[in-house]
Amino acid sequence: AQSVTQLGSHVSVSEGALVLLRCNYSSSVPPYLFWYVQYPNQGLQLLLKYTSAATLVKGINGFEAEFKKSETSFHLTKPSAHMSDAAEYFCAVRNTNAGKSTFGDGTTLTVKP
Amino acid sequence: KAGVTQTPRYLIKTRGQQVTLSCSPISGHRSVSWYQQTPGQGLQFLFEYFSETQRNKGNFPGRFSGRQFSNSRSEMNVSTLELGDSALYLCASSGTPWGYGYTFGSGTRLTVV
Repeated sequence: AQSVTQLGSHVSVSEGALVLLRCNYSSSVPPYLFWYVQYPNQGLQLLLKYTSAATLVKGINGFEAEFKKSETSFHLTKPSAHMSDAAEYFCAVRNTNAGKSTFGDGTTLTVKP
Repeated sequence: KAGVTQTPRYLIKTRGQQVTLSCSPISGHRSVSWYQQTPGQGLQFLFEYFSETQRNKGNFPGRFSGRQFSNSRSEMNVSTLELGDSALYLCASSGTPWGYGYTFGSGTRLTVV
């Protein structure tokens, strides 16, 4: 079984501030972990992925995430928020031996000028 | 390289009718997954197809069905529509079920009245 918990359905930051979106996962086997971003009226876009190589993963648009097995966490960060980062972000987990991904409930990021 | 194409983008149907949604994956991708997205339930897994075979199925009633063709294009069908079927239906493709992350289409917005 696998599950994802995203802490905080809404996060608001000022432009230029640090972005931190939290994700904790549960998986009975070693997981693959993903972050996706969704803009209004669009599908999801893959930001970054952890597939058991380096624990610090860099993605697109300046985002990165660190896999911490001991904390079962995969938090998403960006050093300096931009107005264009405002969107909904989803964390997802997939077992290495199954195709189905399980998504968190999403975190809406608001960036204030 | 063309992305994932979903048609139609918007659809309005009446309760009791049936609907067919189409998805053309990225060229060369043989795995297609379908998700239902609603404000209340988030992203819920419907099914996954690989090389015309259904590999996984989510917890949806039998009114929801799908198939995949030899060219990897996929369709999903919902019969006897209910108001609660109103949602954004997202198609996601990957090279294989063991691939590292999905590429999503923009979705089909289904409204049942």
